[in-house]
Amino acid sequence: EAGVTQFPSHSVIEKGQTVTLRCDPISGHDNLYWYRRVMGKEIKFLLHFVKESKQDESGMPNNRFLAERTGGTYSTLKVQPAELEDSGVYFCASSQDAKDRSKAGPGEQYFGPGTRLTVT
Amino acid sequence: LAKTTQPISMDSYEGQEVNITCSHNNIATNDYITWYQQFPSQGPRFIIQGYKTKVTNEVASLFIPADRKSSTLSLPRVSLSDTAVYYCLVGPYTGTASKLTFGTGTRLQVTL
Repeated sequence: EAGVTQFPSHSVIEKGQTVTLRCDPISGHDNLYWYRRVMGKEIKFLLHFVKESKQDESGMPNNRFLAERTGGTYSTLKVQPAELEDSGVYFCASSQDAKDRSKAGPGEQYFGPGTRLTVT
Repeated sequence: LAKTTQPISMDSYEGQEVNITCSHNNIATNDYITWYQQFPSQGPRFIIQGYKTKVTNEVASLFIPADRKSSTLSLPRVSLSDTAVYYCLVGPYTGTASKLTFGTGTRLQVTL
């Protein structure tokens, strides 16, 4: 079974430019998450999709970030215009819904390898 | 979200058992405890999850005392390939997995 894939693995852009990151979750996973690690800091949650709907976007830093998941399959995260502080590693993860919600814990999230974004 | 505290780093020799303890004094009734492992240039990888007492799988054990204010990840007979950062996560998830809150993690270095 293929894991979560992310593209590109590394992107270098200049301040003010636009970048679009892509995430392909594991087939059949309704839940898709974006996280970010800024250099030297912790991994932070950005947002959560359930199929094509945004369930929680409380972690999105500002309106320069736009995430979409058309059709409930792959997702894109666009940064426009990029700023220096946007540099970091962007992780995508996916998970299934628990079969028995009465017994469910957090579940297991499967992470992609990340996209390293460098804004110069 | 419950706050977690872990040692910043630990060292071990290959073949030893490693125990990493995480404190979570304000854990809530419906919180679960989950551990992830992360290698350089990779995303975090799920290791184990539990609610109380002891959970064991093919790679690790998780010990949770009755008061659930702490938990211990136990890695039996570590090898060089277990060198990684280990994260303890606690969260009030119910049903659908939701956002994870990562702390600073514990950097484990295994040597010969």
